Amino acid sequence: GQQLNQSPQSMFIQEGEDVSMNCTSSSIFNTWLWYKQDPGEGPVLLIALYKAGELTSNGRLTAQFGITRKDSFLNISASIPSDVGIYFCAGRPSYGQNFVFGPGTRLSVLP
Amino acid sequence: DGGITQSPKYLFRKEGQNVTLSCEQNLNHDAMYWYRQDPGQGLRLIYYSQIVNDFQKGDIAEGYSVSREKKESFPLTVTSAQKNPTAFYLCASSVDSSPLHFGNGTRLTVT
Repeated sequence: GQQLNQSPQSMFIQEGEDVSMNCTSSSIFNTWLWYKQDPGEGPVLLIALYKAGELTSNGRLTAQFGITRKDSFLNISASIPSDVGIYFCAGRPSYGQNFVFGPGTRLSVLP
Repeated sequence: DGGITQSPKYLFRKEGQNVTLSCEQNLNHDAMYWYRQDPGQGLRLIYYSQIVNDFQKGDIAEGYSVSREKKESFPLTVTSAQKNPTAFYLCASSVDSSPLHFGNGTRLTVT
């Protein structure tokens, strides 16, 4: 089936630094979602993207729907300790189809 | 507050026993989903249901069963036929083509 790749797999950053991560696919998607998961909890939706080229912000988070429709990017500015967790991307090929999830990027923030 | 409730949070079973995980939502969402999460992997779809009394197999349905007798409830049974049942199980719901809303998961350990 369809697969999503996320990079990096994990990252360690200093508090206050900016973070960039991405999600790529070999096929086209019409919706991209970004979720954050804290340990032992369910994923929480951060940002939803519905149009190629769309750039959407949620506080310190900014995500973009790639022009090719095969990728998406998430940036976190001025990281803080509570940003620690696993960030998942999810893509949907077309309306009515199920979402496909990436393997996640694990973020650690060092004080 | 509306949301998805999964219970119990932790579940321990002996090999060979069937076990049922509960998922209840009061969001009035039509669609409900069950995902399995293993370390380092993306969420994998087990079963989903778009309406009451109807459900479809996802990518890894073997060894699992579900029912959807009420809109609010979508229990998952992990049967003894599931070869590697120890995992974190996530239930989600959605309405129309909206992003998935997740519960806080059940961690199942089978020994």
